[in-house]
Amino acid sequence: AQSVTQLGSHVSVSEGALVLLRCNYSSSVPPYLFWYVQYPNQGLQLLLKYTSAATLVKGINGFEAEFKKSETSFHLTKPSAHMSDAAEYFCAVKRGSSNTGKLIFGQGTTLQVKP
Amino acid sequence: EPEVTQTPSHQVTQMGQEVILRCVPISNHLYFYWYRQILGQKVEFLVSFYNNEISEKSEIFDDQFSVERPDGSNFTLKIRSTKLEDSAMYFCASSEEGEETQYFGPGTRLLVL
Repeated sequence: AQSVTQLGSHVSVSEGALVLLRCNYSSSVPPYLFWYVQYPNQGLQLLLKYTSAATLVKGINGFEAEFKKSETSFHLTKPSAHMSDAAEYFCAVKRGSSNTGKLIFGQGTTLQVKP
Repeated sequence: EPEVTQTPSHQVTQMGQEVILRCVPISNHLYFYWYRQILGQKVEFLVSFYNNEISEKSEIFDDQFSVERPDGSNFTLKIRSTKLEDSAMYFCASSEEGEETQYFGPGTRLLVL
């Protein structure tokens, strides 16, 4: 069975500081991994994805994530936080190479950016 | 840029009533999904749909739920007799053939009183 754990339901950083949102997964088969962002009153927007190619994945808005199989992690980072990054972030895992595969989400992390 | 749309954005209903949530997936996508998020909880998978039939469904998706693609553009989720615990944000998503990414709509917030 697959599962996702996001450590920290709330993360607060200062504007310009490093953003680190943690995600650990459990999967019995090679996973596909995703980070989605949800701005207030909006749907889920894809930030980036890992699909067994490069382990360091770059996404939109300056975010990137590194797949570390040995640590079963897929942490999301951004070198310098911007006020507009304040949102809820979801890590998700999917059984690889299956178009009909469901996404299994973590519980989400709310990112607060302080001026 | 093409996007998934959902209507209505908000729906308030009485317990026991039927509701239909509507979604228009991205036009060339063939795989469709419904997820829901109860307030303060995880986003949960409900059902996936391909080639006019359900591909996979979760334990949540019991006989009170059904999905349909009534025409070439709409994808609907029907809850036959709503319960208080059905109150949630319901997200529709779609993906194209050979593509892992699921694209989500803005959601319908359902409140059952």
